[in-house]
Amino acid sequence: DAKTTQPNSMESNEEEPVHLPCNHSTISGTDYIHWYRQLPSQGPEYVIHGLTSNVNNRMASLAIAEDRKSSTLILHRATLRDAAVYYCILRGLTSGTYKYIFGTGTRLKVLA
Amino acid sequence: DTAVSQTPKYLVTQMGNDKSIKCEQNLGHDTMYWYKQDSKKFLKIMFSYNNKELIINETVPNRFSPKSPDKAHLNLHINSLELGDSAVYFCASSPQGSAAEAFFGQGTRLTVV
Repeated sequence: DAKTTQPNSMESNEEEPVHLPCNHSTISGTDYIHWYRQLPSQGPEYVIHGLTSNVNNRMASLAIAEDRKSSTLILHRATLRDAAVYYCILRGLTSGTYKYIFGTGTRLKVLA
Repeated sequence: DTAVSQTPKYLVTQMGNDKSIKCEQNLGHDTMYWYKQDSKKFLKIMFSYNNKELIINETVPNRFSPKSPDKAHLNLHINSLELGDSAVYFCASSPQGSAAEAFFGQGTRLTVV
């Protein structure tokens, strides 16, 4: 079901920016790109979402390619608390319903 | 005030037993979900309800029966528990729409022995 592809793991040094890539070559015109993260022993939490334009919020930025077939989640200054699994999700209307379909995600390790 | 709350947080039970997990959301969302996260950490959708009506059932064994008494609650009842049911179960809620943000509970770790 997952329609996104992400690297299994990435590492970053604390206080440095992190760019987490996601490929979604089969995205449809009305699918939104969502990012969630799951901290250890917690439920997933919303990070950011977008449709076509780049988006910024207090947690992160989302850069969306012009053809929408890929996107990048940007954490501007990684902290130890950002160590988590990051999921890139496409959400759209499929067979009359909306779903959040999680792939395998990217495990981000932040080094002190 | 917790947006999506699940009880219990931990559940240890023997094979063959019947158990329930409760979920409540105070966000006024129309849609609620149950997800299962197995030992490999893969999150898989099980069910989705919209305004108390089942809209997604992702080929889950019929030993699993969700029940939505009202829009704010979605409980999961599991009959005849098996070892393979051991997992973390997450409840979530969201408004409708492609741009909707989902809120997840903290999870219920079910261990079947």
